[in-house]
Amino acid sequence: EAGVAQSPRYKIIEKRQSVAFWCNPISGHATLYWYQQILGQGPKLLIQFQNNGVVDDSQLPKDRFSAERLKGVDSTLKIQPAKLEDSAVYLCASSLGGWAGAYNEQFFGPGTRLTVL
Amino acid sequence: GESVGLHLPTLSVQEGDNSIINCAYSNSASDYFIWYKQESGKGPQFIIDIRSNMDKRQGQRVTVLLNKTVKHLSLQIAATQPGDSAVYFCAENTIKAAGNKLTFGGGTRVLVKP
Repeated sequence: EAGVAQSPRYKIIEKRQSVAFWCNPISGHATLYWYQQILGQGPKLLIQFQNNGVVDDSQLPKDRFSAERLKGVDSTLKIQPAKLEDSAVYLCASSLGGWAGAYNEQFFGPGTRLTVL
Repeated sequence: GESVGLHLPTLSVQEGDNSIINCAYSNSASDYFIWYKQESGKGPQFIIDIRSNMDKRQGQRVTVLLNKTVKHLSLQIAATQPGDSAVYFCAENTIKAAGNKLTFGGGTRVLVKP
């Protein structure tokens, strides 16, 4: 079974530039998550989608971060403009989801390492 | 706010010995507790989970213990191998109507010495 795919794997940009990350979840997974992992810390949830709808974006810095999952499959996360503190690994995860109140294991992609200079 | 944390940032262990990684949590309402392993350049990989109404669960070479009285979680790795070198995270999973929410702690690095 193919895992969660992410691209690019690495990205280096200057502050105030924009950047976009792409995620393709495991086939059939209804729920998709974006996490930010700063070096030395655990991943922090940015946004959660159920199919193409947003379930939780309470920790997404909406003034500069945006995400979409238009067809309920692939997703993109964008940062515009980037700040130095956005340097981190951005992880995408997916789970079966599809029903409320049930436990669903999350499967993580390899992440995109972003460096903002 | 609610958080999940770890006591030891780095654990050095001799190959073949047992490893114990500890974690303190604060959210009593969590439904599951999960241990993840993260190797350099990779995303977190599921190791084992335990439901909040259980005290112990065993997997292949791993055992997770949950002490709800003191809000403590531990991961025991038997006969630690070089391939076990990685950062280990505990996480709490809360099941909500709209889906599952995962909250991670800060991680413990395990270094296996040959």
